[in-house]
Amino acid sequence: AQSVTQLGSHVSVSEGALVLLRCNYSSSVPPYLFWYVQYPNQGLQLLLKYTSAATLVKGINGFEAEFKKSETSFHLTKPSAHMSDAAEYFCAVSGGSNYKLTFGKGTLLTVNP
Amino acid sequence: ETGVTQSPTHLIKTRGQQVTLRCSSQSGHNTVSWYQQALGQGPQFIFQYYREEENGRGNFPPRFSGLQFPNYSSELNVNALELDDSALYLCASSGGGLAGGPTDTQYFGPGTRLTVL
Repeated sequence: AQSVTQLGSHVSVSEGALVLLRCNYSSSVPPYLFWYVQYPNQGLQLLLKYTSAATLVKGINGFEAEFKKSETSFHLTKPSAHMSDAAEYFCAVSGGSNYKLTFGKGTLLTVNP
Repeated sequence: ETGVTQSPTHLIKTRGQQVTLRCSSQSGHNTVSWYQQALGQGPQFIFQYYREEENGRGNFPPRFSGLQFPNYSSELNVNALELDDSALYLCASSGGGLAGGPTDTQYFGPGTRLTVL
C-alpha cells in the first residue's frame, strides 16, 4: 500500500519569501512522486514529478523538489513566492504496477503582500 | 491540442437519483482515470479505463460505474446517490501507448461539482 502525508494543511508566506511545502510518503515499492497545484475552481496541474532519475527535480513556475529516500520525503520548494503562487498543492505517489495516484490531503498556500 | 474537458460543470441531484458525468480525453491519450475529491480532501481514485476496458478500481462501491468509448471519451455513472457523494469529480487522461504506467503524467480536467441534497 502507498500513502502520502502532507505536513501542514495551511502555509502562509510573504511575497518574496521561501516556499517550503512538506510531503512524506510510504511505499513498499520504489515510489514515483508528483506535485500538483490546484487553483480555485480548476482541475489539477502537474508541477513536477520524480521517476527515479535525478533526485532533484525542477518543475514549472520556479518550483523544485528533492527526493530523499532516507527521509521518505519529497518536499516542494520555491526560493521566492509570488502572489500568483497562492493555491492548493497536492503531493501524490504511484509505483510498481500501481498506476493510480494516491494523493495527500493538500496544503493551502497563502501569499501575503 | 485540446485539453481534458468535463461536463457538466455543476450538477445538483437529490438522494437516490442517478447521475452521469462526461469526460473528453486529451488528444492522443487512450487512458482515462476518475477521481473523487471531497471538500478539503485530496482526490481519491475511483477507477481507470484503458481502450474501453476497466483497468483498475479503487475502494468505491459497485454503484459507481464507468464506460470508455472508441474515441477514448468516458462516462462516470453513479446510482442511488447518497449525501456523501457530494464532491468534485475529476477526470484525468494519460498514455499514448500501454495502459496507465505509474510514471505517466495524468492531465486533469476542471471537474464536475456534484451536490446531492
